[in-house]
Amino acid sequence: DVKVTQSSRYLVKRTGEKVFLECVQDMDHENMFWYRQDPGLGLRLIYFSYDVKMKEKGDIPEGYSVSREKKERFSLILESASTNQTSMYLCASSLLTSGKETQYFGPGTRLLVL
Amino acid sequence: GENVEQHPSTLSVQEGDSAVIKCTYSDSASNYFPWYKQELGKRPQLIIDIRSNVGEKKDQRIAVTLNKTAKHFSLHITETQPEDSAVYFCAASSGNTGNQFYFGTGTSLTVIP
Repeated sequence: DVKVTQSSRYLVKRTGEKVFLECVQDMDHENMFWYRQDPGLGLRLIYFSYDVKMKEKGDIPEGYSVSREKKERFSLILESASTNQTSMYLCASSLLTSGKETQYFGPGTRLLVL
Repeated sequence: GENVEQHPSTLSVQEGDSAVIKCTYSDSASNYFPWYKQELGKRPQLIIDIRSNVGEKKDQRIAVTLNKTAKHFSLHITETQPEDSAVYFCAASSGNTGNQFYFGTGTSLTVIP
């Protein structure tokens, strides 16, 4: 059974702080994704990675960066948190193989930036 | 890039009635269409998916239909139950780099007992 975990369920940070959100998957998936979820806007892709040290911008990368040093771990970094980054952050992973592209989600991190 | 639109944004049905959620997509290269269910406070989970070589797929009370010509696909839930209450997301993917999914904005379904 696929397991995707995220480092925190809830996080409160102050404006200007550097924030690290971590995601770990245990199914040897090549692809990993970071989304933010806001009411009425659905799931918007921030960044994704299809291999170690590889990253691709999604639809809303501004204000975020990512790191993938190991296959199982994908980190989202908010270099200087702002109040408009208050949101639910969801990590997901999937295989690269065509026909097996189902994305499996982590439980989410609800971030509040004060 | 791909643009996925989802309607309605909210839907209330009486228990036992059917619910239909519709999505349209813009990229004719999209060939995989999953549906996710997200219960309150929980992670999105895949409930059904369909590929572009199939027009309809059923799994017990849920079904998905795909019209490639019109570029739309729909989720059908029959005999709705209170536990079907959740937010449902559609998505489209063309299998390009990273198998990126493009999600709709979600439908909040409430089943009234």
